Amino acid sequence: DGGITQSPKYLFRKEGQNVTLSCEQNLNHDAMYWYRQDPGQGLRLIYYSQIVNDFQKGDIAEGYSVSREKKESFPLTVTSAQKNPTAFYLCASSPDGTLGRNEQFFGPGTRLTVL
Amino acid sequence: QQQVKQSPQSLIVQKGGISIINCAYENTAFDYFPWYQQFPGKGPALLIAIRPDVSEKKEGRFTISFNKSAKQFSLHIMDSQPGDSATYFCAASISNNAGNMLTFGGGTRLMVKP
Repeated sequence: DGGITQSPKYLFRKEGQNVTLSCEQNLNHDAMYWYRQDPGQGLRLIYYSQIVNDFQKGDIAEGYSVSREKKESFPLTVTSAQKNPTAFYLCASSPDGTLGRNEQFFGPGTRLTVL
Repeated sequence: QQQVKQSPQSLIVQKGGISIINCAYENTAFDYFPWYQQFPGKGPALLIAIRPDVSEKKEGRFTISFNKSAKQFSLHIMDSQPGDSATYFCAASISNNAGNMLTFGGGTRLMVKP
């Protein structure tokens, strides 16, 4: 059963804590992405990775960190430096960057709430 | 120049009617325009996509119309059904852009009344 999985579905964090959101894909996609979605808003890019051991900042990277040690995994850490982390976090993946392969496929999301 | 503007923010349509959502972009280098459908609490799902070499693409009840000169594209949902009630996002990207990064519109919340 191919696809993108995110865990946990719901996550609660106390202020000052770091938390890590999991994203795994078995689609053999090269690129992976993390987005943040706030209520009634569009998607904003946090980080993306085109290949293993390489990643780039997106539009709102401050307070977040990522790693890409394996092709299928792209975990996101929300650090205590992120001032307003309560949001819905979406992971996506995409085939290689050659012409005609732009599609991004999304996971089911993780809803993070800071208590 | 990377912005994609989407309208309306919300839309109410009667069952059986046509839902129309519009997007406009600035960057003429964009050459891939997908639409995503998102249900509450779920991740967006790719609905339909178009490239600028065609002016229209139809898949079932969903049609994308593309106007390259006006830098606009729209999603038409024919015979709208209550099950179509969701948030719809348009997006745009550049095919040879490293990273396949999508620029998203702000979303349209569609409600189809029975």
